Amino acid sequence: DVKVTQSSRYLVKRTGEKVFLECVQDMDHENMFWYRQDPGLGLRLIYFSYDVKMKEKGDIPEGYSVSREKKERFSLILESASTNQTSMYLCASSLLGADYGYTFGSGTRLTVV
Amino acid sequence: SQKIEQNSEALNIQEGKTATLTCNYTNYSPAYLQWYRQDPGRGPVFLLLIRENEKEKRKERLKVTFDTTLKQSLFHITASQPADSATYLCARHRSGNTGKLIFGQGTTLQVKP
Repeated sequence: DVKVTQSSRYLVKRTGEKVFLECVQDMDHENMFWYRQDPGLGLRLIYFSYDVKMKEKGDIPEGYSVSREKKERFSLILESASTNQTSMYLCASSLLGADYGYTFGSGTRLTVV
Repeated sequence: SQKIEQNSEALNIQEGKTATLTCNYTNYSPAYLQWYRQDPGRGPVFLLLIRENEKEKRKERLKVTFDTTLKQSLFHITASQPADSATYLCARHRSGNTGKLIFGQGTTLQVKP
């Protein structure tokens, strides 16, 4: 069964901490994505990567960075966590091209206190 | 700007009936539209992709239509069951048909026994 695995289901961090969210896929997909999901705002794209070491900003990249050193792994980094980054974070992957669906991970619910 | 709009009000129907969910988009027609199912606290799961020249696509009890004149996609679940209760998301690709999706906010379906 193909999978996107996010390292944590729930995470509580303090304001100002540097936070790493890890995502691994086993499908040899080229594309990987980080979204956050908030009530009333839906899914918003933070960053996107279409190849190793390649990345593009999404709609809300401020306060975040990403790393893709290997094809299967895409990490989201919160440089200095703030309370407004409390959210559900979803990683997804897909094959290259517009006619493929995404496979999502189960999500990480991050609370910043 | 490109938008995807779904009815934010929950849809409540009786078991055995057909559920119909609506997705409207703005600007030019995308080459593809996608539908996902999301259960509470979980990541979305890809259900169907429909191409603009397909008009209609079926998968078991699911049927999706794509009307480029109305700029609308309809998602039908026939013989609905309580297990179909979930939030359903519609998504389109951004301009240039890159791999990046824009998601609607989703419509919550509640099927009552």
